[in-house]
Amino acid sequence: DAGVTQSPTHLIKTRGQQVTLRCSPKSGHDTVSWYQQALGQGPQFIFQYYEEEERQRGNFPDRFSGHQFPNYSSELNVNALLLGDSALYLCASIPLAGEGHEQFFGPGTRLTVL
Amino acid sequence: GDSVTQMEGPVTLSEEAFLTINCTYTATGYPSLFWYVQYPGEGLQLLLKATKADDKGSNKGFEATYRKETTSFHLEKGSVQVSDSAVYFCAPYRSNDYKLSFGAGTTVTVRA
Repeated sequence: DAGVTQSPTHLIKTRGQQVTLRCSPKSGHDTVSWYQQALGQGPQFIFQYYEEEERQRGNFPDRFSGHQFPNYSSELNVNALLLGDSALYLCASIPLAGEGHEQFFGPGTRLTVL
Repeated sequence: GDSVTQMEGPVTLSEEAFLTINCTYTATGYPSLFWYVQYPGEGLQLLLKATKADDKGSNKGFEATYRKETTSFHLEKGSVQVSDSAVYFCAPYRSNDYKLSFGAGTTVTVRA
C-alpha cells in the first residue's frame, strides 16, 4: 500500500511566477490537508479539502488556492510567488471517518523562490 | 486559536541518556494530542498520540501522558539511541477546525 505521495520533490521558481504542487493520499483516505513549513519552524496549516471542497482554511492569503479531484488527490497552487513562500510544503491525508484524527504526511515538496 | 509551547532546543544527549521534551498547549475544549517526529530530510511521522485526558501514548520507547489539569503532553524516553536524532513536534488537534497546530519543534541530537 503506497503512502502519501507528493510531486515534485524539489522546485525552483522566481518571484512573480505561479506554481502547482500535487498530492496523492493513501488508499482509503478521502481528506487532504496542506501545510507550509518554513526553515526551522513547525508546519503551518494552509487548508483542508474534503469532498472536493475547501472545508477549512488557515491564515494564508488568497494567492494560495487548491483543488481536490474525484479520486481524492489534491493540488496546491500559489500565484505571484514571493521570496517568503520558500518552504517545505507538506500534504497530509486523513482516513475515512478520521478515527483518532491521525494525519499521515507525505515527504513534502521543497519550493525555493529566487 | 490553539497554540503550543515546546521546550526550546537544540538538545544534545549521549546515548542511553534520559530524554524529556516539555509541551504545553492552550486550546478551547479538549483536543487530541500528538507528537510527530521529522528525521533529517524527511516528512513528518506520527510518533504517538492521546485522545483524552489521562491517556498515555507510547511508541518506540517514547511515552507521553495527556494531562488536562496542566494542559501538558511532555514526551519522555528512558534511554535514547543515535537513531533518535530528529526534530520533535507537539501538536494538538481539535475536530471542529480540522487542523493540527504545531509547536516550533525541538531538535534532538544523540551522540554515540
